[in-house]
Amino acid sequence: DGGITQSPKYLFRKEGQNVTLSCEQNLNHDAMYWYRQDPGQGLRLIYYSQIVNDFQKGDIAEGYSVSREKKESFPLTVTSAQKNPTAFYLCASSGGRISYGYTFGSGTRLTVV
Amino acid sequence: SQQGEEDPQALSIQEGENATMNCSYKTSINNLQWYRQNSGRGLVHLILIRSNEREKHSGRLRVTLDTSKKSSSLLITASRAADTASYFCATDIIGGSNYKLTFGKGTLLTVNP
Repeated sequence: DGGITQSPKYLFRKEGQNVTLSCEQNLNHDAMYWYRQDPGQGLRLIYYSQIVNDFQKGDIAEGYSVSREKKESFPLTVTSAQKNPTAFYLCASSGGRISYGYTFGSGTRLTVV
Repeated sequence: SQQGEEDPQALSIQEGENATMNCSYKTSINNLQWYRQNSGRGLVHLILIRSNEREKHSGRLRVTLDTSKKSSSLLITASRAADTASYFCATDIIGGSNYKLTFGKGTLLTVNP
């Protein structure tokens, strides 16, 4: 079955640590996205990538980094520079034609301990 | 920044009733999409309406778009308890990246059995 897999489902980070969230898709989609969702809030765009080896900052990129070395994979690293990382992180992909909409993963809930 | 704003923020109805949610946006769009999110899960694409369309149906869903008022509505008819979820509108902005959607904060719909 085609889809997007995010892992882990739950992640705990200590102060000062970097953590990496995984996002893998087998939909052959060109574009991939990372969003952050805080309780009762909408989605805010962190980074997005339209093609391999290229990515752009979204609205809240500070404290985050990404890579796009393979079409299937778009990992997100939450660095120690992100002062308030506790949130629900959602990865999505698109076939490049926005008329088809996004396909989302099931999310990773990151908590700072 | 939030392009779309849903209204109301929360809606509680009885099973069998209709549910109407509204979305307003600020700048001209190529299309508007509605997504559903069950608690703690990823978003699921429901329906897309293009800027040159005024109404669209999909099963129990009816979406309208009024570009002169920069607003859209999502109607769910004969609601069921399983429709309980958050509903988000998302817009693809004219002049923006063809691969980037901006989401609103969502409407939390509760359907009571």
